[in-house]
Amino acid sequence: EAQVTQNPRYLITVTGKKLTVTCSQNMNHEYMSWYRQDPGLGLRQIYYSMNVEVTDKGDVPEGYKVSRKEKRNFPLILESPSPNQTSLYFCASSFRDRGYEQYFGPGTRLTVT
Amino acid sequence: RKEVEQDPGPFNVPEGATVAFNCTYSNSASQSFFWYRQDCRKEPKLLMSVYSSGNEDGRFTAQLNRASQYISLLIRDSKLSDSATYLCVVRTGGFKTIFGAGTRLFVKA
Repeated sequence: EAQVTQNPRYLITVTGKKLTVTCSQNMNHEYMSWYRQDPGLGLRQIYYSMNVEVTDKGDVPEGYKVSRKEKRNFPLILESPSPNQTSLYFCASSFRDRGYEQYFGPGTRLTVT
Repeated sequence: RKEVEQDPGPFNVPEGATVAFNCTYSNSASQSFFWYRQDCRKEPKLLMSVYSSGNEDGRFTAQLNRASQYISLLIRDSKLSDSATYLCVVRTGGFKTIFGAGTRLFVKA
């Protein structure tokens, strides 16, 4: 089954404790992206990747890191999480053709205390 | 000014009604346009891409007016299952993706 998977789905952590949210897709998509969704602010793009070893900042990259060492994986790293990073995170992927129609993972709900 | 703006909603309509959503975008270099739907706190799901020639998928019709930087979505014969938040999405020439804040639709029996 074609899908985007994220792990963990739920995470409660403390300020400053490094964490990684994994994202994997099995559709051989070139493009992958991370978003956060907050009430009243909608979805905002954190980082995106056009292909292996090619990443770029979205609108809200501060406090996050990403890497794209393999085509299927695009982990999101929070080196020192803070409470303002409490949010719902979505990973997405797409082919370059068809205008980058994106398929989303189920989301990761992160709480930083 | 937000890069992608949508009707604030919510829209409350009876079953069978026709409902229209509007969206404007500010970046004239934008290249791709989409409508997604999102059920409460679940992942957004692609509803349809939007082309300059207009496109239709069953009860759903999308239009793009590049000159006015305007996108629309029309839902005919609304069903209870259409209740969701509808997101207007624009991809810029630099491969960034910008989401509108979404318009909530409630379809009532």
